[in-house]
Amino acid sequence: KQEVTQIPAALSVPEGENLVLNCSFTDSAIYNLQWFRQDPGKGLTSLLLIQSSQREQTSGRLNASLDKSSGRSTLYIAASQPGDSATYLCAVRRGGTSYGKLTFGQGTILTVHP
Amino acid sequence: DVKVTQSSRYLVKRTGEKVFLECVQDMDHENMFWYRQDPGLGLRLIYFSYDVKMKEKGDIPEGYSVSREKKERFSLILESASTNQTSMYLCASSLLLGGEKLFFGSGTQLSVL
Repeated sequence: KQEVTQIPAALSVPEGENLVLNCSFTDSAIYNLQWFRQDPGKGLTSLLLIQSSQREQTSGRLNASLDKSSGRSTLYIAASQPGDSATYLCAVRRGGTSYGKLTFGQGTILTVHP
Repeated sequence: DVKVTQSSRYLVKRTGEKVFLECVQDMDHENMFWYRQDPGLGLRLIYFSYDVKMKEKGDIPEGYSVSREKKERFSLILESASTNQTSMYLCASSLLLGGEKLFFGSGTQLSVL
């Protein structure tokens, strides 16, 4: 059974810092991994999607890496801003008979203070 | 931009009531999903559909059913609501079942009293 773990559970940083969020998964047989952002009481917004054959994806100040063999992904946020405060979730899309299903981590609650 | 619309933002129902949660997407996506999100448990997949009238069970289908009569609309049905179904319900869609991004609605916070 695929399990996804995110560390840390919560992170508080001053504005301007570069930071790294971690995601690990137990079964390396994945099709892709997505990072999402969720604001309080809202739905999820997809930030980056990394296919299993890729090593990283970048969008603006965000960079996500994937090491499938070790079951790890990181989300790097450069020059953090208060508007980046949200919960960040990673999700892996499973393969085999579970094709199409995503398994989510519990999320990292990020607070960026001015 | 893809828009996934959930009909209600907040809903309060009584135990034993039949509850319908509606979701509509406007981008002709093949696949639609229903998740519930609970503190400490994260997001869990209830059901998904990869085509009109087609459905598959997710990880926690018990107590729920779904309907997809039209491509753009995916309904989640609680046949007899119970208090343990109080949760945030999130609908999502994607173009393909495989390597595409998932787009989420804003969620419905359901309280069953």
